Amino acid sequence: AQSVTQLDSQVPVFEEAPVELRCNYSSSVSVYLFWYVQYPNQGLQLLLKYLSGSTLVKGINGFEAEFNKSQTSFHLRKPSVHISDTAEYFCAVSGGGSEKLVFGKGTKLTVNP
Amino acid sequence: GAGVSQTPSNKVTEKGKYVELRCDPISGHTALYWYRQSLGQGPEFLIYFQGTGAADDSGLPNDRFFAVRPEGSVSTLKIQRTERGDSAVYLCASSLERNQPQHFGDGTRLSIL
Repeated sequence: AQSVTQLDSQVPVFEEAPVELRCNYSSSVSVYLFWYVQYPNQGLQLLLKYLSGSTLVKGINGFEAEFNKSQTSFHLRKPSVHISDTAEYFCAVSGGGSEKLVFGKGTKLTVNP
Repeated sequence: GAGVSQTPSNKVTEKGKYVELRCDPISGHTALYWYRQSLGQGPEFLIYFQGTGAADDSGLPNDRFFAVRPEGSVSTLKIQRTERGDSAVYLCASSLERNQPQHFGDGTRLSIL
């Protein structure tokens, strides 16, 4: 069975500071990895995805993530955050013939002025 | 273009009642997914349709939950004899085909009194 662990439930940062949101996964098969963002009272919006190829993946809104197979990690990074990045971020995994996404519990990012 | 549409956006009902939640996927998307998101948690998979058939219903919690997609487009999630523990946000997603990124609707917030 697949699982996802998001190590930080809440991350407060100041505007224009860099941020890293951590994600580790567990799977016995090849995986696809995703980061989604959820703004209050909205659905999930895809930030970026790793399907294959280059381990450094660039997404929307200046976010990027690096797939590290040996450490089973897929951490999300942004070099300089904005107030508008305040939201909840979910890491998810799929694969092994299963179409379903398995999500972590989420990390609430709060960007303060 | 239009995204995934879910109706109603909010539903409040009494314990023991029957509810139906509707999902209109993105036009042309063959795959459709239902997830449930409880407060403070990531979404949890319920069921996946490929076309008209349920390809994976392993996430349905019990036989009170049922979903249909009779024409391969709109889907309805049906919950019988609702219980307070069914209160959650029910999210629908669609993808163009298998192994493609899932696009989410804004969800239906279900409250069982």
